[in-house]
Amino acid sequence: NAGVTQTPKFQVLKTGQSMTLQCAQDMNHNSMYWYRQDPGMGLRLIYYSASEGTTDKGEVPNGYNVSRLNKREFSLRLESAAPSQTSVYFCASSDLSRVDYGYTFGSGTRLTVV
Amino acid sequence: AQSVAQPEDQVNVAEGNPLTVKCTYSVSGNPYLFWYVQYPNRGLQFLLKYITGDNLVKGSYGFEAEFNKSQTSFHLKKPSALVSDSALYFCAVRDNSNYQLIWGAGTKLIIKP
Repeated sequence: NAGVTQTPKFQVLKTGQSMTLQCAQDMNHNSMYWYRQDPGMGLRLIYYSASEGTTDKGEVPNGYNVSRLNKREFSLRLESAAPSQTSVYFCASSDLSRVDYGYTFGSGTRLTVV
Repeated sequence: AQSVAQPEDQVNVAEGNPLTVKCTYSVSGNPYLFWYVQYPNRGLQFLLKYITGDNLVKGSYGFEAEFNKSQTSFHLKKPSALVSDSALYFCAVRDNSNYQLIWGAGTKLIIKP
């Protein structure tokens, strides 16, 4: 099935550990996004990549880095995890040339930092 | 600044009754408006959009939304609620400066049998 695949689904980290969240889409979308979702705060954009080879900061980029490896893959790295990064992370892709943008979300990664 | 507001954290409705989930927006230029739904432990799913044309937009699962330019609102509605409609609903508007979506904080909809 076409869509956005995120790995892992769950992760527990100790403060100071690093990890990379992986995201891949097979819809040939140009744009990809990483969001975090916290209770009462909705979705906040961490980083996005409008097209292959470009990345831009979103609303809450501190403590994160991203890599747009190719058109399909967009990874999010936490270099030194902090408890404040405990959240649910969503990857999404879209085609801004479509009238409805075609935003498609992955199923999420639930990250706990202890 | 461009923004989206969902004034209600939670909406409770009895099954069979009509439901409304509110959304207001602030954007320069023409508004592109969206509603998404999130079921537990899932990603967001597209419900409907307003780009141009008829102010009443019909979407998936029997939902519709009414665009009101003078009130800068885009409320989500359904004539008869189902228990299975219980979920988290997000309104979004396109930021016309960079074409990214700006998301509301979400409204939890609870439909009671």
